[in-house]
Amino acid sequence: DVKVTQSSRYLVKRTGEKVFLECVQDMDHENMFWYRQDPGLGLRLIYFSYDVKMKEKGDIPEGYSVSREKKERFSLILESASTNQTSMYLCASRGSRLVYNEQFFGPGTRLTVL
Amino acid sequence: GQNIDQPTEMTATEGAIVQINCTYQTSGFNGLFWYQQHAGEAPTFLSYNVLDGLEEKGRFSSFLSRSKGYSYLLLKELQMKDSASYLCAVRKGSTLGRLYFGRGTQLTVWP
Repeated sequence: DVKVTQSSRYLVKRTGEKVFLECVQDMDHENMFWYRQDPGLGLRLIYFSYDVKMKEKGDIPEGYSVSREKKERFSLILESASTNQTSMYLCASRGSRLVYNEQFFGPGTRLTVL
Repeated sequence: GQNIDQPTEMTATEGAIVQINCTYQTSGFNGLFWYQQHAGEAPTFLSYNVLDGLEEKGRFSSFLSRSKGYSYLLLKELQMKDSASYLCAVRKGSTLGRLYFGRGTQLTVWP
């Protein structure tokens, strides 16, 4: 079974703090994604990565950066957290050899910025 | 955005059949996915359509009409555990293309 894990289920940070959200997958997938999910807005793509050290902006990259130094790990960084970044953050991965190329999601990190 | 539309909420009773519709407007269409998401949990893959027609997987079926930009997810013999949010997502471009998600349909199944 594919496993996507995220470093924390719940996180509380203060405005201005630097925040790291970590995502690890164990299936040697090439592609990894970071989304945020807010009530009434659905899943919105922040950044994604096709390969190690490669990244692409999604629909809402402002205020975020990412790092992919190793294939299995994709990190989301909030350089200076703000209250409007309070949200559920979901990581996903996908391999190019899957039948449907579906994305597999991690359990999510609920981040609260005070 | 890709103009992916689905109803916000639906309700149904145990044992019934429910159809959740999804319409989309996009160029370079290359597949439509349905995901299920229980409250507080991650979305899980349900079905995938890239050609017109119906795909059946047990109690769940998904239909696609590319010319109409329309899909539906059909859930039969509803159970309480089917209460969840159902997400429609469209893929553009190559098979490695990113997904564009609708806002989700919250289904509540009553006893």
